[in-house]
Amino acid sequence: GQQLNQSPQSMFIQEGEDVSMNCTSSSIFNTWLWYKQDPGEGPVLLIALYKAGELTSNGRLTAQFGITRKDSFLNISASIPSDVGIYFCAGAGGGNKLTFGTGTQLKVEL
Amino acid sequence: ETGVTQTPRHLVMGMTNKKSLKCEQHLGHNAMYWYKQSAKKPLELMFVYSLEERVENNSVPSRFSPECPNSSHLFLHLHTLQPEDSALYLCASSQDGSGDDSYNEQFFGPGTRLTVL
Repeated sequence: GQQLNQSPQSMFIQEGEDVSMNCTSSSIFNTWLWYKQDPGEGPVLLIALYKAGELTSNGRLTAQFGITRKDSFLNISASIPSDVGIYFCAGAGGGNKLTFGTGTQLKVEL
Repeated sequence: ETGVTQTPRHLVMGMTNKKSLKCEQHLGHNAMYWYKQSAKKPLELMFVYSLEERVENNSVPSRFSPECPNSSHLFLHLHTLQPEDSALYLCASSQDGSGDDSYNEQFFGPGTRLTVL
């Protein structure tokens, strides 16, 4: 089946630093998504990417849909304590079926 | 608040118990999903209901039995579970997009943390 490899598995950074994480797949996806999950909550959509090569921003977040349609990255600039959480990438191949990555746990040191 | 609620938030059950998880969405969506989230593993899709019909069963053991009585409610009935079934069970809803190439955003509930003793 389809697999998404997400890295790094965890990051421990200083407040104010920029963060970068990425996701690669053995299969092509039509849509790439980035979610954040806070403790005790379900994942919340941060950014959706619909077109190969697309670069999209949402505040301090920037994500890109790789040109091969098999990868995506998420950058967070000037991290703040509330950025703590688990970030998931997900790919959609058609319809609403999602394949999720294993997640990147982000911890921010003040 | 995402418009998707789940109850209970926490559940501890023995292997011989029968319990049910409930999900309700207030978003006017017509597709609902059950996911399983285990530590260090990706979210696993279990079931998909579209227009109240089950359209996906991702090789889930029969000890998990879903029910979708209407487009706003989804249940997961649990029976004779195993300790390895302990996980966070997440419900999500969206507009149906099973026939499209485009993606319709899924909104997740907060999950039910299940522990099987």
